Amino acid sequence: EMQLVESGGGVVQPGGSLRLSCAASGFTFSHYTMNWVRRTPGKGLEWISYISSSSGTIYYADSVKGRFTVSRDNAKNSLYLQMNSLRAEDTAVYYCARDRRSSGWSDHWGQGTLVTVSS
Amino acid sequence: DIQMTQSPSSLSASVGDRVTITCQASQDISNYLSWSQQKPGKAPKALIYDASTLETGVPSRFSGSGSGTDFTFTISSLQPEDIGTYFCQQYDTLPFTFGPGTKVEIK
Repeated sequence: EMQLVESGGGVVQPGGSLRLSCAASGFTFSHYTMNWVRRTPGKGLEWISYISSSSGTIYYADSVKGRFTVSRDNAKNSLYLQMNSLRAEDTAVYYCARDRRSSGWSDHWGQGTLVTVSS
Repeated sequence: DIQMTQSPSSLSASVGDRVTITCQASQDISNYLSWSQQKPGKAPKALIYDASTLETGVPSRFSGSGSGTDFTFTISSLQPEDIGTYFCQQYDTLPFTFGPGTKVEIK
């Protein structure tokens, strides 16, 4: 059964850093593009990053560009999101999602991990 | 950025009713639109992609139509397990953007 399990969320102060992980199982992770999407109380769902299977193509939303870095380790079936210079508006549930067609559309999502940025 | 709007924001219908949700894009996105469902505390579930293609395993009571800027999502006969929030997403142009969601409840 295909699974995506996010971890690494928590409470962090403004300006702080956090690294999210997404463990993939049940499919050949190295073959698929992945997305990070977040759900914020105010803005709803927001796509934030896309990384191709080989990490050769990476995109970010303007709201996180320069502060967040997406990466993956295909040998470990894992996806990561390094989040620096965190702001209150980054408070959200963060989801990793598989992008079966490398199109920006996600066919399978994890259950999410909550990040709270607060002093 | 392409803005996605959805209507209604919420609806309440009886089991067996036909339910329709609309999604509008601020510019032409061809058919690069998906529909997904999310239940509280659960992972979103993909239902339809390319505006009208049903994802494998999704019941045939779900359907989608439209192209360009105007799209429709329909549940032909609402079932109790269909409660949740439905959202559209465009993947024609970066940044990929989502509609605000439609909450579906059983009357």
